[in-house]
Amino acid sequence: GAGVSQTPSNKVTEKGKYVELRCDPISGHTALYWYRQSLGQGPEFLIYFQGTGAADDSGLPNDRFFAVRPEGSVSTLKIQRTERGDSAVYLCASSSGGRAKNEQFFGPGTRLTVL
Amino acid sequence: AQKVTQAQTEISVVEKEDVTLDCVYETRDTTYYLFWYKQPPSGELVFLIRRNSFDEQNEISGRYSWNFQKSTSSFNFTITASQVVDSAVYFCALSANNAGNMLTFGGGTRLMVKP
Repeated sequence: GAGVSQTPSNKVTEKGKYVELRCDPISGHTALYWYRQSLGQGPEFLIYFQGTGAADDSGLPNDRFFAVRPEGSVSTLKIQRTERGDSAVYLCASSSGGRAKNEQFFGPGTRLTVL
Repeated sequence: AQKVTQAQTEISVVEKEDVTLDCVYETRDTTYYLFWYKQPPSGELVFLIRRNSFDEQNEISGRYSWNFQKSTSSFNFTITASQVVDSAVYFCALSANNAGNMLTFGGGTRLMVKP
């Protein structure tokens, strides 16, 4: 079956602009996670959805970052007033149960470059 | 707070050598799960294994084996008879039900296998 997909694969924007990153999880997976991976580092947690609601958004760095999952499937990560420090690969993952023991399956990521 | 440390940032071996990637973790939870992921040059994280904190049995899968030792808070990964296709960045990660279910990743170990 289809894995996690993310669009766009690459996004180049200018400082101060608004961007949206999309994640399409594996069909039937109720849990969805967003992570951010800077060059040479491990992924860092941003936000976790169980169904439509954000169960944990403690990883969002500031209020410029926001994410939604209105129908419990596709999720959009939104970044306002982008800064050069936001440049990174944004990874989305989904899992069947949303519990710590469930494997998370990752998408290919969106590489965001803020000029 | 949870923490995962992968002290080896980069390892280079010649094909057919055995190599061990180290992982040390910290958590206050008594129930937790440990994972290894592979990130090849294409960038997509690939799930390799999950162990729970109550199961310290070592596991072998083909050329891969994992050594989980609670006494030293370590979960090391050994590749036997390495191959060029094993070249990738390998991440160790930790999750716990009482810590939000998200994955906490180590910084990764870049493995280069030369022919």
